[in-house]
Amino acid sequence: DVKVTQSSRYLVKRTGEKVFLECVQDMDHENMFWYRQDPGLGLRLIYFSYDVKMKEKGDIPEGYSVSREKKERFSLILESASTNQTSMYLCASRPPSLNTEAFFGQGTRLTVV
Amino acid sequence: KQEVTQIPAALSVPEGENLVLNCSFTDSAIYNLQWFRQDPGKGLTSLLLIQSSQREQTSGRLNASLDKSSGRSTLYIAASQPGDSATYLCAVDSNYQLIWGAGTKLIIKP
Repeated sequence: DVKVTQSSRYLVKRTGEKVFLECVQDMDHENMFWYRQDPGLGLRLIYFSYDVKMKEKGDIPEGYSVSREKKERFSLILESASTNQTSMYLCASRPPSLNTEAFFGQGTRLTVV
Repeated sequence: KQEVTQIPAALSVPEGENLVLNCSFTDSAIYNLQWFRQDPGKGLTSLLLIQSSQREQTSGRLNASLDKSSGRSTLYIAASQPGDSATYLCAVDSNYQLIWGAGTKLIIKP
């Protein structure tokens, strides 16, 4: 069974901390994505990656960075956490070809206090 | 810029009813449209993917239609069950980016 695993279900961090959210997929997918989800706003794309060491900004990259050192792992980094980054974070992966499904992790609920 | 809208934001129906969820998009230049389900506090599960050349897709009690020219898709759920209670999201695949609606929260009352 295909799997996308996010390292934490729940996290509580303090303002100003550096936060790492990890995502691992076992499907050998080239493409990986980080979204945040807020009530009434749907999913918004933060960053995505088409290959190892490649990254592209999404719609809301400010305050975030990413790392893709290995194909199966895509990390989201909050350089200095702020309260407005309290959100649900979702990682996804999909193959590079068109008309393929996206597979999601279980989500990380991050609270910044 | 592509925009995706889902109406209504919430829907509550008695068990056993057939129901339709709506998704509209502003730009017909899409590769496909995907419907997902999200249970509270969880990730998303893919339900159906309709390619731009297709009119509909079926999976069990679910049927999704696509009318690209009018910018609309519907998700039909037959004989609803309490286990169908979840948030349903649609996403259009434009330029290999998924653009999301805000979702419809569905409650099926036993």
